[in-house]
Formats: sequence, C-alpha cells, structure tokens
Amino acid sequence: KAGVTQTPRYLIKTRGQQVTLSCSPISGHRSVSWYQQTPGQGLQFLFEYFSETQRNKGNFPGRFSGRQFSNSRSEMNVSTLELGDSALYLCASSLVGTGSYEQYFGPGTRLTVT
Amino acid sequence: AQTVTQSQPEMSVQEAETVTLSCTYDTSESDYYLFWYKQPPSRQMILVIRQEAYKQQNATENRFSVNFQKAAKSFSLKISDSQLGDAAMYFCGIHNNNDMRFGAGTRLTVKP
Repeated sequence: KAGVTQTPRYLIKTRGQQVTLSCSPISGHRSVSWYQQTPGQGLQFLFEYFSETQRNKGNFPGRFSGRQFSNSRSEMNVSTLELGDSALYLCASSLVGTGSYEQYFGPGTRLTVT
Repeated sequence: AQTVTQSQPEMSVQEAETVTLSCTYDTSESDYYLFWYKQPPSRQMILVIRQEAYKQQNATENRFSVNFQKAAKSFSLKISDSQLGDAAMYFCGIHNNNDMRFGAGTRLTVKP
C-alpha cells in the first residue's frame, strides 16, 4: 500500500505570493491533518479534515486554509506569504474508527519564503 | 486546549546505553491517547509507541518503553540498548477528540 505523498517536495516563493500544497493520504484513510514544523516551534497543528469537513483547527491566522476532496486528497493554501512561513509542512493521514489514532506522515513540503 | 511540553531540546547517549526522554502534558480530558514519534534525519516521521490513558500498564515495544504517570501528566520514553539508528528527533504527542498536539521535540544523538 502506498504511503502518504506530498507535492511538491520543495518550493521557493516570494513574500506576498500565495502557495498551494497537496497531500494524498494512504488509500482508505479519510482523516488528513496538516502540521507546520520549524526548528524553534516544533510541530504545530494547522487543521484536520475528515470526509471533506474541517473538524479541528490550530491557532494560525486566516491566511492558512485547507480543503479536502471526495477522494480524501487534501490541499492547504497559504496566502500573502511572510518570511516566517518558511517551514516544513507535514501532512498525516489516519484510519478513523480503529481506535488507534496512529498518524502516518508524508515526507513533507519544504517551503522557503524569500 | 491540550498542550505538550518536552523540556529537553537535546539529549545524548552512548551506544548500548539507556536514555530517557521526558514529556509532560496538560489536558482536561480523562480519555486520551499518548504517542511518541521518531523523525530520523531527512526521513519521515514514524510511530514509536502508543499508550491509552485508560490503561495503567506501561506500553513497551522491544527496546522502547514508557513510564506513564497519569496523575502527574507525565509520559517519558525509555530507550534501552541504544543503537546508532535511534538518532533522530523524538516528538511526544497527545490525541483526544480529533485533536492531536505535539511537543517541540527532543533531538537524540547516539555516540558510537
């Protein structure tokens, strides 16, 4: 079974631009979560989607948004990029209903804002 | 909101020795799950070990074990017989009500 995939793997953008990152979960996983990883802040939760609905949201400004499609693939968008948005963005999927809550992570998208 | 604190940004251990990584958390819930994830350099995060809060028995997975103290809201990870491949960032996390939170991580170095 294929793992979680994220595209693109690397991205360089300029301040003020917007960016869209994509995540394809493991087949059968309907929950997708997004995290921002930076050296100083560790892993910070952005949001979680299940069956195309956002179930939970972290403490990030409205510039960060996401969505999930009917095939469980998810995208996150960051508008009006700031230098501080430079980070590794991780996506994780999980199989809801098993009681394990284990998350399977993708390799991440490294975003650099210049 | 749930929070997780890892007070050791970096730890070091000699190969074959034992090391303990600390984690404390805060939650108002009584039913939750605790996790330790490992992120090797330039590799994907993987689950190391999981503990259900309602279970009093500490979870173990081969060389990895936890010391779960529910009243103290503490969840430390013990790695026995450390190996070079254990070198990684370790993240402690808590899951409850569709909400997953992680600590800032502990970077573990294993010295040969």
